[in-house]
Amino acid sequence: QSPLTQPPSVSGAPGQRVTISCTGSSSNIGAGYDVHWYQHLPGTAPKVLIYGNNNRPSGVPDRFSGSKSGTSASLAITGLQADDEADYYCQSYDYRLDGSQVFGGGTKLTVL
Amino acid sequence: QVQMVQSGAEVKKLGASVKVSCKASGYTFNNFDINWVRQAPGQGLEWMGWMNPKSGNKVYAERFKGRVTMTRNTSISTAYMELNNVRLEDTAVYYCARGRAYGRGGRWFDPWGQGTLVTVSS
Repeated sequence: QSPLTQPPSVSGAPGQRVTISCTGSSSNIGAGYDVHWYQHLPGTAPKVLIYGNNNRPSGVPDRFSGSKSGTSASLAITGLQADDEADYYCQSYDYRLDGSQVFGGGTKLTVL
Repeated sequence: QVQMVQSGAEVKKLGASVKVSCKASGYTFNNFDINWVRQAPGQGLEWMGWMNPKSGNKVYAERFKGRVTMTRNTSISTAYMELNNVRLEDTAVYYCARGRAYGRGGRWFDPWGQGTLVTVSS
C-alpha cells in the first residue's frame, strides 16, 4: 500500500475542470517534501506534468496546474480534452522509507 | 534531444536473473542519477531505486534490497538494472528515468525510457 493516496478514478466532460488529490502524511508531503505529477498513457512512457508542487516543464499546457497544502497535494486540469484520458500519478519523498521516492496508487481519468 | 532507450523484452523462468539496459543520450551522463521504476499488470508505478553514474552510489527501495543491482558503464552512457531470483510477481514493465534533484532529498523523473517488458514464467 502506497504512502500516498489517490482516488482510483475521476471523470469529467470535455471542457470541464477536474482535480485529482494526493494525500500523504507527516513523513512525506506533510514534512515539506515536494510533489511531482505524471501522466501515463497505456503503452507509452510516463510524462512529467508538474514538478516541485506547481511548476510546469516547457511544453506542458497551462491547463495543468498543481498545488500543495499540509499533507496533501492536488492536480487540476481545466478545459478537459479527450486526449487527457490517462492515468495520473503523484510522487514525493518519504524519509521513513530509507530515502525512497514514493508514488501514489494512480488515478484513472475518464473523459465522458 | 534528451533520450533514454531501453533494451528489448525478456522472458525468464522462475529463479533466473534478468538484466535491463538503459542508454542515455543528449546530456552529460554523469550529471544526473538514473532511477528505475516498474509497473506490474493492472498496478501502479513502483520506484525501485537510483544510482549516481559519477560516483556509483546507489539507493535501493527496501523491498528490492538483496535482489536488485544497479550498475553503469560511463564510457557508453548506459545504466543497467539486474534483478535476481525472479518471481511470477516480478512480471512488469521496467522503466529507467533520469532523476532531477529537487528540494530536500526529492527528485523528479524526466525523461523516461520506453519501458522493457519482463515476463516471468514457470
